[in-house]
Formats: sequence, structure tokens, C-alpha cells
Amino acid sequence: NAGVTQTPKFQVLKTGQSMTLQCAQDMNHEYMSWYRQDPGMGLRLIHYSVGAGITDQGEVPNGYNVSRSTTEDFPLRLLSAAPSQTSVYFCASSPGGAKNEQYFGPGTRLTVT
Amino acid sequence: AQKVTQAQTEISVVEKEDVTLDCVYETRDTTYYLFWYKQPPSGELVFLIRRNSFDEQNEISGRYSWNFQKSTSSFNFTITASQVVDSAVYFCALSEARNFNKFYFGSGTKLNVKP
Repeated sequence: NAGVTQTPKFQVLKTGQSMTLQCAQDMNHEYMSWYRQDPGMGLRLIHYSVGAGITDQGEVPNGYNVSRSTTEDFPLRLLSAAPSQTSVYFCASSPGGAKNEQYFGPGTRLTVT
Repeated sequence: AQKVTQAQTEISVVEKEDVTLDCVYETRDTTYYLFWYKQPPSGELVFLIRRNSFDEQNEISGRYSWNFQKSTSSFNFTITASQVVDSAVYFCALSEARNFNKFYFGSGTKLNVKP
């Protein structure tokens, strides 16, 4: 199993550009989530999904879109990048139910200039 | 209000010392889960432990132990005989029965273990 994979590892964007961060998991997990990590603030939930076709907002959803067309993939779209979106982004998946610990991908470091 | 508070921003110890990382949480749910994750300098997040709210037994795994006290809403993590490889940022997290998929993370404690 590759676990949770994320691409790219690093990305630099100019303000106003859009892009998609990719996330995939091969563990057949129902639940997937996106977090951003900023210094001194821990991880904050952006969006999450409880299964294919079902998504919901987390704590900081503004400026981001998600969709979940398959169990394996959960891409995160930045619609119009802003410097405030400079962060490290982590995707996670979990089996759900009584085993809800989340398994994280390696992260994507995004810089918006 | 923050649901998970890790008041210790950074701790430095010398190898072989014991160290305790504090975690205080806040929830109105009677059913919830608490977690600890480790983030070494390489950046990945590693799951360490999950505890549900009905199980207040302390847990020990090698040099790691966890103390869960509902009376003080705390879930503290102790590393015994610390090693340089323990140097990392440690995060405590909470998920509640109303939505187990939503995790609330603390701001993390950076542990520096010096040789």
C-alpha cells in the first residue's frame, strides 16, 4: 500500500492563479480530509468527505473547493490564490466508525507570492 | 474557544530525561476521541494513539505513556528516558460524537531533546 499520496510536494503560485492539489489513498477509506498547517496554529480542517459524492466544510473553507467522485481521490482546488493561503497542506484518510484515526499524506508546501 | 489547548509551545530536555507534554480539551459531548500525533523534522504526521472517552485507563507503549483524566479534561503524554529521535512537534487532537470526522488539533508542542 502506498497509503495517502499527495502531489505536488512544493508549489509556488502568483496571486490570482488557480490550481489543484491532488490527494489519493489506496486503503479503501471512506473518510478523507484536507488540513492546512500554519506556524503556531496546529492543523485546521478545510473540507472533508464521508464518501464518494459527499463533502462538507471544515473550519476554514473559504477560497477552497473540493469534490469526491471516487473513493480514492479527493482533490483540493484553490480558486484564486492569495498570499494568506501560503501554508503546508495535508490530506488525510480514515476508515471511519470506531477506527477513526486519520492517516496523513506527506504534505504539499504552497507559497503564494 | 479553542477545543484543544497545548500550553507548552516548546520544551527542551537533555537525553534520558523524562518529559510530559500537556493537553487540555474542551467538549460538551460525552462521547469523544482523543489523539496524539508526532511530526518529526521531516514533516510527516505519525499517529501515536487514540483514546475514547469511556476508557480512562492509562496506556503504556514502550517509553511512551498517556494519562487520560476526564475530571481535569486532560490527556497528557509522557516520554520516559527521552532520546534525540523523540525530537519533534507533538499534536493533541479531539473528535466529537456529533461528527467523528472533524478533528480539532492543538497548536502543538515542539520537543527538543539534546544529546
